[in-house]
Amino acid sequence: KQEVTQIPAALSVPEGENLVLNCSFTDSAIYNLQWFRQDPGKGLTSLLLIQSSQREQTSGRLNASLDKSSGRSTLYIAASQPGDSATYLCARDTGNQFYFGTGTSLTVIP
Amino acid sequence: ETGVTQSPTHLIKTRGQQVTLRCSSQSGHNTVSWYQQALGQGPQFIFQYYREEENGRGNFPPRFSGLQFPNYSSELNVNALELDDSALYLCASSLSLNEQFFGPGTRLTVL
Repeated sequence: KQEVTQIPAALSVPEGENLVLNCSFTDSAIYNLQWFRQDPGKGLTSLLLIQSSQREQTSGRLNASLDKSSGRSTLYIAASQPGDSATYLCARDTGNQFYFGTGTSLTVIP
Repeated sequence: ETGVTQSPTHLIKTRGQQVTLRCSSQSGHNTVSWYQQALGQGPQFIFQYYREEENGRGNFPPRFSGLQFPNYSSELNVNALELDDSALYLCASSLSLNEQFFGPGTRLTVL
């Protein structure tokens, strides 16, 4: 079974805190690893894409890393803001199959 | 540049009926993927079309079918609707096998 697991399932932090979201997968076959955010009832917004040949990507306050050998990716959010409150999803792309985790629901408290 | 659009926004059907959902890909994109997202779950991959050919398929029965047109827009067809088909259906487009961009989704309710 091609599982993608995200831990924690939910997280609540005060504004300004740095935080790490985890994504693990059971199969190391990977073409891309992509992180998304989803606001309630909405579609997904792409945050970062890491290709299999890369180890990390950065965009603003976000940094995502990929370790294929251990089957893990992490999303680091620096100086969290209330606007960061959303569900964060990672997706493993094998080239013709896509596997999403169930997400981490993040609440940033002002 | 126009993003990914989906229609309709909401849809209510009854069991046994058929439904067609539509997706217009982002300008310049040649690949479309469809996902089903049940409440509180991550999206489940249905299938992907690349240049009008099915490029991959998830664990969905044959009553889920699709098309991609020469302009790279796409349709998802679901026959013999079941109650469990109620979900948010998401479409994503990309250029070949690169970063995916999602539409806002179609909320399907089966009664």
